[in-house]
Amino acid sequence: TQLLEQSPQFLSIQEGENLTVYCNSSSVFSSLQWYRQEPGEGPVLLVTVVTGGEVKKLKRLTFQFGDARKDSSLHITAAQPGDTGLYLCAAGGWDSNYQLIWGAGTKLIIKP
Amino acid sequence: DAMVIQNPRYQVTQFGKPVTLSCSQTLNHNVMYWYQQKSSQAPKLLFHYYDKDFNNEADTPDNFQSRRPNTSFCFLDIRSPGLGDAAMYLCATSRVFGQGATDTQYFGPGTRLTVL
Repeated sequence: TQLLEQSPQFLSIQEGENLTVYCNSSSVFSSLQWYRQEPGEGPVLLVTVVTGGEVKKLKRLTFQFGDARKDSSLHITAAQPGDTGLYLCAAGGWDSNYQLIWGAGTKLIIKP
Repeated sequence: DAMVIQNPRYQVTQFGKPVTLSCSQTLNHNVMYWYQQKSSQAPKLLFHYYDKDFNNEADTPDNFQSRRPNTSFCFLDIRSPGLGDAAMYLCATSRVFGQGATDTQYFGPGTRLTVL
């Protein structure tokens, strides 16, 4: 059974601080997506990474896919209250029957 | 803009009263998914369609059914909602590539179901 361990599950920090969220697995994935979800809304795609070692940046957010395609991280620099939300990682395999393996989610609160 | 649309956004039903949630997409993706999500948890896959082929998750209750009359639309029917079925229901789409591997999934805004 493929598992995707996401940590931390909950994080509350002050505005301006930096943070990193991790998704780790013993399985190799073909791609990994990061989503952000606000209360009462559906998950919104932030990024998809597909190449081992790939780094993508989205303003203050930096996403990295591990060299072996087994893990990924999301780093937020100078967090702002607007970054508050549920962050979800999800990964797909080459023989996944069109399904994603989901992390448990990280609930992030940025205090002004 | 291409998108995934869900209606209604909020649905209130009574215990045991059937309810239908709808999803439409303009992305022309051949895979559509229905997820159930409870508070601050990861979405839980109920079933998905690859074109007209229906794939049910083993632990999806029989109370949940789905229909996909064409590429653009997909419906979730809850035949006899219980209190435990109160949740956010999310529709998603993706295109297929490779041997069963999935590309990115795109989500609708969700339908919040309340069961009284």
